[in-house]
Amino acid sequence: GQNIDQPTEMTATEGAIVQINCTYQTSGFNGLFWYQQHAGEAPTFLSYNVLDGLEEKGRFSSFLSRSKGYSYLLLKELQMKDSASYLCAVRASGGSWGKLQFGAGTQVVVTP
Amino acid sequence: EAQVTQNPRYLITVTGKKLTVTCSQNMNHEYMSWYRQDPGLGLRQIYYSMNVEVTDKGDVPEGYKVSRKEKRNFPLILESPSPNQTSLYFCASSSQGAANTGELFFGEGSRLTVL
Repeated sequence: GQNIDQPTEMTATEGAIVQINCTYQTSGFNGLFWYQQHAGEAPTFLSYNVLDGLEEKGRFSSFLSRSKGYSYLLLKELQMKDSASYLCAVRASGGSWGKLQFGAGTQVVVTP
Repeated sequence: EAQVTQNPRYLITVTGKKLTVTCSQNMNHEYMSWYRQDPGLGLRQIYYSMNVEVTDKGDVPEGYKVSRKEKRNFPLILESPSPNQTSLYFCASSSQGAANTGELFFGEGSRLTVL
C-alpha cells in the first residue's frame, strides 16, 4: 500500500509563491500526479512526474525525488483563482498499475 | 466535446434500496475508475478497469460492484446501500497509451445520500 501525506491548509498572498509538499511511502511507484480541485467541482490535471527532477508548466512547477519519496508543487505569481484544493496522487507499478492513491489534499487560500 | 458523464448528479435514497450510478465517456479511453470523496479523507479509489471485461478492486471496494461490458460505460452498483456510503462519487477515465501520462478526466460528481 501507499501512505501519502500533504499539509491540510496553506495561506498565501496574491502575487506570492507557495510550495505544497507531498511525501509518500510506496511498495511500487509508477508516477506522481498533481490535481487541482475548486470547491464543488471535479479535480483537473495539473502535472505528472515519473522521473526525478522539475517539470515546469507556466506558473506551476512540480518536482519529484523518488529516492526520498518526495514531491512538491510550486505555484508562482499567485492569483485569487488559485484558491483551491491541490491533490497529490501516486500510481502503483507492476500488476497494480491501475491503482491510484490520493493524498487528502491541501487547501490553498489566496488572500488579497 | 470530450467528457465523462455521470448520472444521477444528486440522489437521496434509503438503506437497502439498490441503486446504480452510471458513467460514460466519449474519448475511447481504456481505463476507467470510481472514487469516493469524503471530508478529511480525500479521494479513495473504489474500483478500476483497465479495459473491457477487466476490473479490479481499489482501496475501498466493500459494498460496491462494477461492470465493464462496453468500453465507454462503467456503472457503479450499490446492491444494498448503507448510510456510510453517503459520499461524493467521481468517475474518471484516461488513455493508457505509451505517449500519454495517464492523466485522469473526471466526471462532475454524484452526490449520494443514504438515509
